Amino acid sequence: QQQVKQSPQSLIVQKGGIPIINCAYENTAFDYFPWYQQFPGKGPALLIAIRPDVSEKKEGRFTISFNKSAKQFSLHIMDSQPGDSATYFCAAARVQTGANNLFFGTGTRLTVIP
Amino acid sequence: GAGVSQSPSNKVTEKGKDVELRCDPISGHTALYWYRQSLGQGLEFLIYFQGNSAPDKSGLPSDRFSAERTGGSVSTLTIQRTQQEDSAVYLCASSLSSVGTYEQYFGPGTRLTVT
Repeated sequence: QQQVKQSPQSLIVQKGGIPIINCAYENTAFDYFPWYQQFPGKGPALLIAIRPDVSEKKEGRFTISFNKSAKQFSLHIMDSQPGDSATYFCAAARVQTGANNLFFGTGTRLTVIP
Repeated sequence: GAGVSQSPSNKVTEKGKDVELRCDPISGHTALYWYRQSLGQGLEFLIYFQGNSAPDKSGLPSDRFSAERTGGSVSTLTIQRTQQEDSAVYLCASSLSSVGTYEQYFGPGTRLTVT
């Protein structure tokens, strides 16, 4: 059973576009929502994370939007660049209970065309 | 500083053989996690060590899988009697895991191929 559902599976945008990746979860005990970026042959790298007490967080060109009532969160990449082409994973964890293991979405392969 | 390191980077083994995969976490990180990344299953949690507490083994897929963490640092994931479905990339992550700090940092992974 997939605890975090992610869409789309793949995404192609032009340079400068704003790709949006969406995730949804069912378990209301989740209280930590990170996004990871993975390049081929590398491990996932933490991009940005959010706790449910805020609705938006920005770090550089990356923004997380969080809707607690809808149990959804999304990643927006502003002014996307070819170097952003990678696979992006959302995840969730129950950190307040000490169960810090991450439940991952299935990933979105992003291609930014020059 | 140095990140999470894993060895070997690639491992090819014959079905039925045992394998050991090693993870060196970031110095000072008390929490260590193993995940498996495969084409059909995505990224899935295997096991979690936090300090001296008993590990959370809830993600291990079968009793052929085991892991230990010696001295609160290096960890070894062992797969006994490997099967073809064990072929995947095995990822290790570590975290400070103190209050307010939950970020997990991943190593490059070990690609296991069972022939």
